[in-house]
Formats: sequence, structure tokens, C-alpha cells
Amino acid sequence: QLQESGPGRLKSSETLSLMCSVSGGSISSENYYWGWIRQPPGKGLEWIGNIYDRRSTHYNPSLKSRVTIDVDTSKNQFSLTLSSVTAADTAVYYCATGGYYLDSTGYSPDAFDMWGQGTTVTVSS
Amino acid sequence: QSALTQPASVSGSPGQSITISCTGTSSDIGNYNLVSWYQQYPGQAPKLMLFDVSNRPSGVSFRFSGSKSGNTASLTISGLQAEDEADYYCSSFTSSTTVVFGGGTKLTVL
Repeated sequence: QLQESGPGRLKSSETLSLMCSVSGGSISSENYYWGWIRQPPGKGLEWIGNIYDRRSTHYNPSLKSRVTIDVDTSKNQFSLTLSSVTAADTAVYYCATGGYYLDSTGYSPDAFDMWGQGTTVTVSS
Repeated sequence: QSALTQPASVSGSPGQSITISCTGTSSDIGNYNLVSWYQQYPGQAPKLMLFDVSNRPSGVSFRFSGSKSGNTASLTISGLQAEDEADYYCSSFTSSTTVVFGGGTKLTVL
């Protein structure tokens, strides 16, 4: 299971930090990636990024300059850091996981087969 | 990156079949079979319904099926039931090593 945690509210220009706790399995499991997706109020899903093998990352180009995803194996958690937030970053943030393929072209993630329940983040001015 | 294109809404009567399309490009759906579909009820997290175009995870009804032709993937729900009323999202891996979602389709069971 996955469970998100973090501040529900923050102000513009601050840095958002969210954690996703993994239970029932190890975050060091092979062939699993760990990702973040968000959903603004009343809107669709937006992929934020994935981390593979605890070090390689793929990020949404529109967020890449502000996003960091990292893994803490000692706590069996992974994190999302989003800097310089604005009201446009207000959303429900989900953590999720799935399997991936690795070949000469790099990492190819399969579907998100497990999701956290989501955590609401509100950015105010 | 541009979102995949889905119809904003579809509807059908109980027992009927409906199909939701998801159109991308040769850089995503057209080049990979890493296409998945998610069901989302209001206030809940998305649930995986299909992966790798047409594979159902354990526990997902056989009434859900998927296909792909060129740059377009499709989700078909047969024998429509009231409980199928939800939002549906498609997703694909892309040649830019990113993941892209569709804008979502609201399914109404009449």
C-alpha cells in the first residue's frame, strides 16, 4: 500500500515536500518504479515524474526545473519536492507505482498499478 | 508535451456497449504498447483497468477490453452497468521518456 503525507497548505513561492510511505513491500524491490501524479480541482490527471532503481528519474518537461523525486530506503519512502509553488500547483497529489522494462533505450514504465489515496495541497497567495 | 485526446463525455444505457477513444501521435500510442486505462470515481484515486493496451489486471471485469490502431487506443465496456459510471483516463509512455495522460472522459449510464 501507498500513503501520501505532507502539508495541506502552503504559500506562493514556498517549496512543497510530500512523502509516500510504502507498506507491504520494499521500496528497493527490483523492477518497480515510484511516481507522482497530480490532479487540479475539477481537472484531469497530470504526470509529474518517476524514479527507477532508486536513482534514475524522468520528469514532466513542464515541471522539470522545479521537481525532484527521491527515495529514502531507510524509511521505505519516496518523496516529491516542488519548488516555487504558485496557485497553479493546487491539486490532489497521488503517489503510485508499477513495473518497468529496461533495455538499451533506457527505462520504459508500464502502468501505474497501485495508487495512494491522494493528498490535497492548496497554495495561497 | 500534449495530452492525449479523449472525448469529454460518452453515455450509454444499461446493457449496451460503449467505446472511448484515446488519440495520440506516433511518438506515444503509435510507437508503444504501453497504453493503460484508469477508472476514477469522484473523490477517489484512479484504478488501473487495462495495461499494455488490452491486458486486464486481476479482479477487473471481462466487460472491459482494449485495442489499438495506429495512434489511437480504445476502451470498450460491454454490458454497461450503473457502477461503470465514472471518469476514464488513458495514458501512454512517450519517446521523450515521459508519461502522458488523456484529458479524461466522463461516462454517464443513462
